[in-house]
Amino acid sequence: QSVLTQPPSVSGAPGQRITISCTGSSSNLGASYDVRWYQQLPGTAPKLLIYGNTHRPSGVPDRFSGSKSGTSASLAITGLQAEDEAAYYCQSYDSSLSAWVFGGGTKLTVL
Amino acid sequence: QVQLQQSGPGLVKPSQTLSLTCAISGDSVSSNSAGWNWVRQSPTRGLEWLGRTYYRSEWYSDYAVSVKGRITVNPDTSKNQFSLQLNSVTPEDTAVYYCARTDWGVDAFDVWGQGTVVTVSS
Repeated sequence: QSVLTQPPSVSGAPGQRITISCTGSSSNLGASYDVRWYQQLPGTAPKLLIYGNTHRPSGVPDRFSGSKSGTSASLAITGLQAEDEAAYYCQSYDSSLSAWVFGGGTKLTVL
Repeated sequence: QVQLQQSGPGLVKPSQTLSLTCAISGDSVSSNSAGWNWVRQSPTRGLEWLGRTYYRSEWYSDYAVSVKGRITVNPDTSKNQFSLQLNSVTPEDTAVYYCARTDWGVDAFDVWGQGTVVTVSS
């Protein structure tokens, strides 16, 4: 069981907006540690999408946005495209484990 | 452009040592603003951070509790690379292993290696 909890799957039609939640605890997100989000296409390494809760690396479309409040964080994708179909993972630091921790991942299906 | 190139065997026998190397181009393993990590991924354990090494006037290493005592992450400044050694492996260590950079300004895993499928089996 992952330290950060994500829904196993979400889906949406092209052009729609979806959100993926990430729930933590007082030793990670609730302790003010930042959340990061990664996109993983089948057979490839994860790719950084969001860092510092809300910041996008250069090259990441502004259709992707992140937010964080208390022990929860969210990734939003607007204008859904077929190429967005992938697994998405949240990640933070956990002070109880003294380790970087990941969510279990959410599989996005574009209908 | 920073790139990480992994190498190492894809099959390891139980009780033996898993050894992987990650060669760095476009950055330095001795950088004062980066950390060099190993992360693995399996269907049962998901994405799991294993450990890192980094240089801040001297060398440091941090390891996940789940593998502490079995893991070593070492820099090799002469070849600009870093390595993973995981001892006494069991089938539970079967996974895709990734090396990844943490850039201190971004504070995230911003560059990843291509991944190495490692199977622990006799």
